[in-house]
Amino acid sequence: AQSVSQHNHHVILSEAASLELGCNYSYGGTVNLFWYVQYPGQHLQLLLKYFSGDPLVKGIKGFEAEFIKSKFSFNLRKPSVQWSDTAEYFCAVNAVGAGNMLTFGGGTRLMVKP
Amino acid sequence: GAGVSQTPSNKVTEKGKYVELRCDPISGHTALYWYRQSLGQGPEFLIYFQGTGAADDSGLPNDRFFAVRPEGSVSTLKIQRTERGDSAVYLCASSPAGDTQYFGPGTRLTVL
Repeated sequence: AQSVSQHNHHVILSEAASLELGCNYSYGGTVNLFWYVQYPGQHLQLLLKYFSGDPLVKGIKGFEAEFIKSKFSFNLRKPSVQWSDTAEYFCAVNAVGAGNMLTFGGGTRLMVKP
Repeated sequence: GAGVSQTPSNKVTEKGKYVELRCDPISGHTALYWYRQSLGQGPEFLIYFQGTGAADDSGLPNDRFFAVRPEGSVSTLKIQRTERGDSAVYLCASSPAGDTQYFGPGTRLTVL
């Protein structure tokens, strides 16, 4: 069965700092990759997704992620965070051909200090 | 347009009781998913419907858990003889077939 690891459980940054959240998965076949965000008191929302094509994917609110197949990674980045980016971030993987469910990482809780 | 809705938003029950959790997917979405999220963890897959049928129920933890989607739209997750370990947020998601999943706000279940 596939698994997803998010290495950073808690990250604290000051506004304008750069962000990179790690995500690694274990599955040898084709994958669809997602980052979801959960703002305080809100439900999970899609931040960006990768199905195929350009491995550098741009999402909403200035976020981007890069799929590196050789490293089984899909790290999330943002050049300059804002206080409003305070949230929990989840990486998720769908193993193509092994069901339509998503396998989620444990999440990274980001706090941005104003 | 309207997103995925779930009712109730909170449910408190006693150990051993039966509970039903409801999910209304986005109109026209053929696929519907249930996940469970325990405190401090990511969501874990429970069951997936394509239309009216359960296409994959491999994530259901045991036979106390059951879900239906009789008309291919609304789904109900049913938990019999609840246990304290069932306490979690139960999430529903829907999608057009094979595409991005959109999540509802969840039902927070507390078993006393």
